[in-house]
Amino acid sequence: EDKVVQSPLSLVVHEGDTVTLNCSYEVTNFRSLLWYKQEKKAPTFLFMLTSSGIEKKSGRLSSILDKKELFSILNITATQTGDSAIYLCAVGGFSGTYKYIFGTGTRLKVLA
Amino acid sequence: EAQVTQNPRYLITVTGKKLTVTCSQNMNHEYMSWYRQDPGLGLRQIYYSMNVEVTDKGDVPEGYKVSRKEKRNFPLILESPSPNQTSLYFCASSQTSGGPYNEQFFGPGTRLTVL
Repeated sequence: EDKVVQSPLSLVVHEGDTVTLNCSYEVTNFRSLLWYKQEKKAPTFLFMLTSSGIEKKSGRLSSILDKKELFSILNITATQTGDSAIYLCAVGGFSGTYKYIFGTGTRLKVLA
Repeated sequence: EAQVTQNPRYLITVTGKKLTVTCSQNMNHEYMSWYRQDPGLGLRQIYYSMNVEVTDKGDVPEGYKVSRKEKRNFPLILESPSPNQTSLYFCASSQTSGGPYNEQFFGPGTRLTVL
């Protein structure tokens, strides 16, 4: 069965800390892995990782994809209170139908 | 402004009363999808559409219907809502170049309560 598992479920850190969020997956015919940030509303896109793009970076955020071990990590350095959100991992695959499966998310709270 | 819109944003209804949640995007995206989000379960895909008149089931399609008669619109229909359909619903769209696995743009969400 296709699945996406994120860990930890929740995390509380202080401003300036570095955090690592994990996403492991088992998806038929993997095509892409995406990270989203969800504050009190709709998810917003952070990164997309594929076979041809296994490492992405934008400012304090970076992500890597390990296709062999079937996981991805999202790193946030020098965290700020504005980073407080739920971080969602989604994986796209194909098994007769197009699948787009989300993990349950990691809730990050950054304290001032 | 490029966006996905949903209406209504909030809805309280009663069991069995048919309802429709509308979704519209102005980005000329081929792919559109509906999700429901429940505590502890994350986002689960209900239905998706690869293009006009092409729809397919996601992981939790029971109790829902969709249609895609125009590229920009993808309404979600609950023919006979039940309390277990109380949830936060998101519509999303994306381009399909290379497959429907690209960045998805989400609507603001519809919070539905079925009494």
